[in-house]
Formats: sequence, C-alpha cells, structure tokens
Amino acid sequence: AQSVTQPDIHITVSEGASLELRCNYSYGATPYLFWYVQSPGQGLQLLLKYFSGDTLVQGIKGFEAEFKRSQSSFNLRKPSVHWSDAAEYFCAVGAGNSWGKFQFGAGTQVVVTP
Amino acid sequence: DAMVIQNPRYQVTQFGKPVTLSCSQTLNHNVMYWYQQKSSQAPKLLFHYYDKDFNNEADTPDNFQSRRPNTSFCFLDIRSPGLGDAAMYLCATSVSLGEVGQPQHFGDGTRLSIL
Repeated sequence: AQSVTQPDIHITVSEGASLELRCNYSYGATPYLFWYVQSPGQGLQLLLKYFSGDTLVQGIKGFEAEFKRSQSSFNLRKPSVHWSDAAEYFCAVGAGNSWGKFQFGAGTQVVVTP
Repeated sequence: DAMVIQNPRYQVTQFGKPVTLSCSQTLNHNVMYWYQQKSSQAPKLLFHYYDKDFNNEADTPDNFQSRRPNTSFCFLDIRSPGLGDAAMYLCATSVSLGEVGQPQHFGDGTRLSIL
C-alpha cells in the first residue's frame, strides 16, 4: 500500500531564510508526486507535480522539489521565504489507476517570523 | 477562470438536522471528490465520482451521501450530522483520460459547524 510521511509537523523559519520540507513515500511502482499548500480557511493549491523526467521540478511561488528515487523522497524547497508562505503544506502521492486516488501526508505547518 | 466553487463557505446546522453542501466546476473534469478535513489533519477522502459512477471509501459513514446530477455539480448530503462531523469539507476535481497521475484541483471548502 502506498504511504506518505512528512516527518516535520511544524517548522519555524525567518523571513528571507531558506526552507526545506521533507516528504518520504512508499509506493511499489513509479510514483506520481505532488505538493499542495493550504492557507488558513482555504482549499489546497497545487504547487508542483512530478510524473517523470527531470527530477528537479519547478513550481509556482518560487518553490521547487527534487525527486530522489534512491531515498524515496520528494522534498520541497524555497531559497528565500516570504511572510505569505506561512501555511500548511501537504505532500501527496497519486495511485497508478485511472481515477487518481491520492494519499496525503499529515502536513507540515510553516510559520514565518520577521 | 476555470475553477471549483463550493457553496456556502460557512454552514451552521443543528445536531441531527440534514445539511447539503454544494460543489460546482467549470473545468469539465470527469472525476469529482469529496474530502473531510479536521483541524490540523490531512484531507480524508469520503467518496468520488468517476463520471456517473459513485465510489465510496470503505470507512465513510452511511450518514454521508453524495449526488452528481451532471458533470458540473456534485452535492454532499449529511443526513443526521453529529458533533464529530464538524469539519472543513473540500471538493476536488481531476481529469482522467486514461492517463494516471493527474493533479486534483480543490475548491476553497465549506466549513461546517454543528450546534
């Protein structure tokens, strides 16, 4: 069965500092991986996705993620965070079926300090 | 802009009083999902429609039902809400054209409170 682990429940980062959010997955076949961001009281917004090809994926809002098959990881990074990046971040793996069921990680809450 | 719209954004109902949440989409996606999300937790899939085919998750309570009268609209009915059903309800859509790995597109959710 597929699973997703986000080891960090909560991260505090200073504005302007770099950010890395960890995601580890367990899946028997080629995973389809996603990062979503959720601001308070809002739905989930897709940041980026990985299906195949280049293992470094660029997303919106200056985020990027790197797929490392050997480590079963898909970590999200941003070189310099802005106060507006404070939110909950979810990693998800998509099942290899026609209707695309997701398995979400538990989420990482990011707090940005001045 | 093509999007997923949920109404209302906030819904208050009484314990045991049926309530319906609405979702519409202009993306023309053939798959629609309903998730329940409680505070500080990941979204939990309740069920999904693949076109007109309804698929219930094994652990979704019978109290939760859904209707999809056409491609654009999907409804979540809670027949007798209990205090434990207070949560954010998220609707999502995706396109399935025989390909896998398509992203899901989420609405802004409906926050349900039970009095």
